[in-house]
Amino acid sequence: QSALTQPASVSGSPGQSITISCTGTSSDVGGYNYVSWYQQHPGKVPKLMIYDVSNRPSGVSNRFSGSKSGNTASLTISGLQAEDEADYYCNSYTSSGTRVFGGGTKLTVL
Amino acid sequence: EVQLVESGGGLVKPGGSLRLSCVASGLTFSTHSMNWVRQAPGKGLEWVSSISSSSSYIYYADSVKGRSTISRDNAKNSLFLQMNSLRPEDTAVYFCARRGSGDGFDIWGQGTMVTVSS
Repeated sequence: QSALTQPASVSGSPGQSITISCTGTSSDVGGYNYVSWYQQHPGKVPKLMIYDVSNRPSGVSNRFSGSKSGNTASLTISGLQAEDEADYYCNSYTSSGTRVFGGGTKLTVL
Repeated sequence: EVQLVESGGGLVKPGGSLRLSCVASGLTFSTHSMNWVRQAPGKGLEWVSSISSSSSYIYYADSVKGRSTISRDNAKNSLFLQMNSLRPEDTAVYFCARRGSGDGFDIWGQGTMVTVSS
């Protein structure tokens, strides 16, 4: 149950787009369309941003989008805003029925 | 109001036990899988355990397997995590989270803090 690999940090200026990658294996990310993404502001509860690789829950801005290619999933945030500054985590279902999170990515809006 | 409320956390000595509870209100509980997720101070999220709606399927992270037992009572909209042989590395905020209609944890509780220290 190794954690999925995410960059420790990414940054961008307001209005720009950024992409956060999440790399796993064929036994998790690559094997199923069961990848989700979470946003967590300091001291707050995680919030679901993307489910089933590319679907947005009701109420989540369409500036957030998800995709997957092979064993790597990606979260793209377009039109960066100051309130997007947070930690982001990916999660995947695995072939053993368990789940695994990525190590988390700190997004800084410059 | 839609909410999950955890309780049962606290300070416990290494080797001790705790039973965490999570009560759901204002949301559909009995037809959804439920999960426990933890976050050590200053660290990332770690999935701990999941249980299917009818308790037929139960899974654990290797880090807690053999020391923890997840269970639920759909009649009382409640989820539980019995944790035994606690270690300092189990120190974390423990969240309960509902798996939504799609594969994602759509509703989270506020968390309960577990501190394992002598």
